[in-house]
This record gives sequence, structure tokens and C-alpha cells, in this order.
Amino acid sequence: EVQLVESGGGLVQPGGSLRLSCVASGFTFSSCEMNWVWVRQAPGKGLEWVSYISGSGTTIYYADSVKGRFTVSRDNAKNSLFLQMNSLRAEDTSLYYCARACSSVTLAFDYWGQGSLVTVSS
Amino acid sequence: QSVLTQPPSVSAAPGQKVTISCSGSSSNIGNNYVSWYQQFPGKAPKLLISENNKRPSGIPDRFSGSKSGTSATLGITGLQTGDEADYYCGTWDRSLSVVVFGGGTKLTVL
Repeated sequence: EVQLVESGGGLVQPGGSLRLSCVASGFTFSSCEMNWVWVRQAPGKGLEWVSYISGSGTTIYYADSVKGRFTVSRDNAKNSLFLQMNSLRAEDTSLYYCARACSSVTLAFDYWGQGSLVTVSS
Repeated sequence: QSVLTQPPSVSAAPGQKVTISCSGSSSNIGNNYVSWYQQFPGKAPKLLISENNKRPSGIPDRFSGSKSGTSATLGITGLQTGDEADYYCGTWDRSLSVVVFGGGTKLTVL
């Protein structure tokens, strides 16, 4: 069974840091480029893309809203994806999803995690 | 304000057909593949359509996708009350070098 499991969310004060993790299992890794994104969703709002990292880890993109504060990384040996979030703001409060795209051309996110809730509040 | 424009809501009766539009530009929809996602309250999004019009395994053929120029459309036929959800389009924007999603469309099956 394919699974993406996020962890690391929680309540943090403005200016604080959190590190989200996403562990993948059940995939046939050789059949897929394993490109990853983080997507967030504020309460009652739509989907907002946060970051992309390619299968090789050499191509990385960020949304302007998080650039310079968030850092995405991956550990292929552990089938894991990470999002280091620094200088957190109230507007970063969201449910954060990791998702996979087998192709960097089609960018169809076929598997999603259950989400990890990040709340930034004093 | 989303780069991709979707109607906030659509509605139709059970058994009927509905379409959801997604409007963009040459830097996104016009030159990249479009995907569509279905999201139920409290659940993660689910891929419905990839590469403009391809249905992943397990997605009923009641769901279809199309693209023309800088717009894409999701079609749902034979509407069921279980189709009530939020629907999002998504693609890559080559000018901004970002993944973009539409603002989402809430489908109500009356």
C-alpha cells in the first residue's frame, strides 16, 4: 500500500521554527522520478503550493511567500522529504501536505499525505 | 488572487452534467499540462485528471478533462451526491517558475 506520512507540525510562536517530515513507503521507486512538493492549505482556504524538489534533488523552487525562510530537502536513502520552516509568521498557519509527481513534465501529484498542521500563534 | 481562475461554485442536479473551467495564460495552461484534483472536507486532495485529459486508474469515466489554448475544463457527467467536493486545477507556470493552483470550485449536487 502506498503511503505518505507527514509529521513535525504543531504550535509555534511567531518567529519560531519547525521541521516537517514526510516518509514514503509502498512505492516502486524505480518507476518514478519521485519529484516532491509541499502544498499548504489555510483553514477554509484553497491549495497553495509551497516548494518543489526534483527527484535528483538538484532542482528546487519556492513560492515567493516562503522564499528565504523555508528550506526543502530530501533523503532518498530514507525515502524522506523535509521542510525546514524558519521565521514563521501567523500567515504560515496551515495544513501542510507533501505530494509526489512521477514526472517533472506533467507535474501530476498522484499521491498525497494526510497533512501536518502548523499553527503559528503567540 | 490565484494565477488560475476558477468559478467559486457550481451546482447541478443528480444525474446531470457539470463543467468547471480553469482559465490561465500562455505561461501556464497554454504551454503546460493541466491536472485536476478533488478534495472532500477534511481529506487530502486526490488526483482526478492528469496531462489535461488522462484519468488515473480507478477514476470513473464520468470525469473528463480537456484543454484549449489557455483554458482547461473538467467535466463530470451522471452527477452523484457523492461528487460534492472542492475541485482544483493545477499546472506549472514557466514565467514564475512555480506550481500554480486555481482558487478551487465547490460543487453542489442539488
